[in-house]
Amino acid sequence: EVQFVESGGGLVQPGESLTVSCLASTLSFSSFNMHWIRQAPGKGLEWVSYISGSGKTIYYAESVKGRFTVSRDDAKSSLYLQMNNLHNDDTATYYCAYSFTSGSFYFGGQGTLVTVSS
Amino acid sequence: SYVLTQPPSVSVAPGRTAKVTCEGTNFAGKNVHWYQQKPGLAPVLVLYDNSDRPSRISERFSGFNSGNTASLIISRVEAGDEADYYCQVWFSKSDCVFGVGTKVTVL
Repeated sequence: EVQFVESGGGLVQPGESLTVSCLASTLSFSSFNMHWIRQAPGKGLEWVSYISGSGKTIYYAESVKGRFTVSRDDAKSSLYLQMNNLHNDDTATYYCAYSFTSGSFYFGGQGTLVTVSS
Repeated sequence: SYVLTQPPSVSVAPGRTAKVTCEGTNFAGKNVHWYQQKPGLAPVLVLYDNSDRPSRISERFSGFNSGNTASLIISRVEAGDEADYYCQVWFSKSDCVFGVGTKVTVL
């Protein structure tokens, strides 16, 4: 079963940038279509971004479009989310997940907490 | 944007059946997926494509999609089923929506 380790979270001020990472425990990472999903403290889940296994297809939620950039390095079995111009409401635990089937998600990690506050 | 409505809470006695609903518009032809999340842990997929269970998920979890309402059914509820449950639907390639979540409490 694939496991993910998310990292890179921390405390940043509004307007700053941060990159979070997701390391997968599989050598077949290139075959996984991947997502970032976030959860604000005490709140529900919000889909953030998608990148296909080839890296050629990318989608973003409207709330982050133009500020966040998703990328992957299959040689390192890693997924990244570069977040620019962070807002207070970007504060959340960020999870990576893969497309399990027909649009469902397999999470496999514990997430990384990003706190945006002055 | 699309909204998926779930009841904030559902309470059920051990051994009984819990039903969590997820209401939305334009469900026709769309697959609904369900997640269980316990405090401090990542969500776990319990149903996909309206009614299919991943391996390792108990057969006590079932579901159906009747058009504008999808339902997650937990039979013979156990204390370990106490958690938040979220439904999820893709409305377009870049529009994935989660329900607000339902807290299932085992009495």
